[in-house]
Amino acid sequence: QKEVEQNSGPLSVPEGAIASLNCTYSDRGSQSFFWYRQYSGKSPELIMSIYSNGDKEDGRFTAQLNKASQYVSLLIRDSQPSDSATYLCAVIFSGGYQKVTFGTGTKLQVIP
Amino acid sequence: NAGVMQNPRHLVRRRGQEARLRCSPMKGHSHVYWYRQLPEEGLKFMVYLQKENIIDESGMPKERFSAEFPKEGPSILRIQQVVRGDSAAYFCASSPPGQGVYEQYFGPGTRLTVT
Repeated sequence: QKEVEQNSGPLSVPEGAIASLNCTYSDRGSQSFFWYRQYSGKSPELIMSIYSNGDKEDGRFTAQLNKASQYVSLLIRDSQPSDSATYLCAVIFSGGYQKVTFGTGTKLQVIP
Repeated sequence: NAGVMQNPRHLVRRRGQEARLRCSPMKGHSHVYWYRQLPEEGLKFMVYLQKENIIDESGMPKERFSAEFPKEGPSILRIQQVVRGDSAAYFCASSPPGQGVYEQYFGPGTRLTVT
């Protein structure tokens, strides 16, 4: 069974620090990876997509992909209390059309 | 530029009734996906549709659940004879057509409560 694994947390970081969120996936042939943010009681919001090995930066967010290690991460610089949410890693497995499989999410708490 | 729209936002049904959830994708998007999220659990894929076609329904329960995306109008997720275990948040997402563009954008969800 193809899976996406995340530590459920909570991950607590002080305001202004770097938050590092990690995700591993089981299908070596996967090509498409996403990070979503979900506030309690709200719908998931797309933060980043990444398709190639390496880093992709967007504002305070950096996604990192290592296909050889089947590992994708999200760094949040200068963390703010408003970043406190659950972060969902999502993967399109090989042969999966556009079906996205989500991890169970990591809860991030940014402490003022 | 309207995002993905879902209605109703909240739906209460008694056991045995039918629930009908609607989703209108973002303008220009032709792919629709339905997900279910139980309290304190992750998002579970249910079905992927294009206009008039079900592409992947591997996450749909075999009984009582059906989905459609007609040529005109919104996508509909239908749950017949609801049971308490169907209480959940149901999210719809959409993505644009074409190869290489796979980002999905979510609607606000429908919270179904079965009493």
